[in-house]
Formats: sequence, C-alpha cells, structure tokens
Amino acid sequence: DMVMTQSPDSLAVSLGERATINCKSGHSVLYSSDNKNYLSWYQQKPGQPPKLLINWASTRESGVPDRFSGSGSGTDFTLTISNLQAEDVAVYYCQQHYATPCTFGQGTKLEIK
Amino acid sequence: QVHLVESGGGLVKPGGSLRLSCVASGLTFSDSYMAWVRQPPGKGLEWVSDIGRGSRYTNYAASVKGRFTISRDDANNSLFLQMNSLRADDTAVYYCATGDGYLLQWGQGTLVTVSS
Repeated sequence: DMVMTQSPDSLAVSLGERATINCKSGHSVLYSSDNKNYLSWYQQKPGQPPKLLINWASTRESGVPDRFSGSGSGTDFTLTISNLQAEDVAVYYCQQHYATPCTFGQGTKLEIK
Repeated sequence: QVHLVESGGGLVKPGGSLRLSCVASGLTFSDSYMAWVRQPPGKGLEWVSDIGRGSRYTNYAASVKGRFTISRDDANNSLFLQMNSLRADDTAVYYCATGDGYLLQWGQGTLVTVSS
C-alpha cells in the first residue's frame, strides 16, 4: 500500500497567520496520461465527516474559501491556509487515489495559538 | 443535493457479523463510484473498500480482505458492506462516500463496536 506521511502531526498558528501542512507519498501520484496529481486534501471538524477541500493537488472545491490552497507534484505536496480563521480549527488529511487501495495520511491537527 | 445515510451499526461480539447499508439520494446512483471509509475512535481515516459503476470492480484494504464484502443495489440506490469475522480493531465509525477515487460526498457515519 502507498504510504502517505503528513508533517507536522499538529501545529498551532495565530489568527490571521499562515498554516502549512505537508504530505509526502511513497510513490509519485502524477499520472502521465493526463498530467494530474491524484492527491486530495480533506478537512474534518469534531463530530463531522470529512469535507473535500482540494482535489488534483491544487483545485479548490466549490465553496471552499480561497485562503485554502494546494501545491506540489509527484511525491511532495503542501496545503496552505492563509489568514487563519477560528473556524479553520480541524484535522486535515491528504489522500492519494492514484493507486489501489487509496490511502490517507495520518492527519494533522490544526489549533489556534 | 446529495444525501448519504448509513445504518446497520451496533455492538457485536468478536467473530460476529454485521451488514452496513447506505441509502443515497440526489445523485444518479447507478453511475456513481462508492466507497466505505472508517475511523476508529480518536484516530485517523482508513479507506476500507470501493466499488465501481455496475459493480465492474471492487477493491479492499488488506486489513479487511477476505472478511468484508462490498456490494450495491442500483435499483434501490443502496450500498452495502457485509462484515464477517469481526475483530476489536474493526471498531470504528464507518462512512459511506462517493466521488471518483477522491471522496466528494460523505454520510454522517454509523458506529460499529466490536467487544465481548
């Protein structure tokens, strides 16, 4: 199974500042035939199911604030949350859907400093 | 608007069986990729199984292969997960989800507790 490793496991950021979460895949998730990275980011708040934020490594889903952005290609990816808001407190997961079985990172817990 | 509603969770003894169901609305179910993802209490997400349109393919995590079976009933917009030989480490909230590898829509989940 493809291992997805996130860093850090947790971080605390001040309101209005930037949070950066990294995700590294065990193998490239860039599919050469369509030049897409099969990498997604999810946000999960307590007591709720996960919510898809970003797909194809950098495409924001409809309704997701533009302070959320994704970058990276191949094996190294980053989720950046600019101008951190109180409602952004959550656990964030990356997921690869390049290979079966799909796999998630272990999660990164984001808190307010 | 897509709605996914899971049911069938509960308390079961080790070695027992449960069948989870997920009823979908607001989408063309027969055209939809479907998946089960679980989350043990206080832990992260684990993809469990998925099924393609028309049941063309099914996939399983190594941890459940041979014990769990995913299936679908397109006539009734329903997804199922038959879970046999349950173990304590299968204890989790089980989510039904749809998308296409990525998971765009999720249900609220159903809790499965495996304990004697």
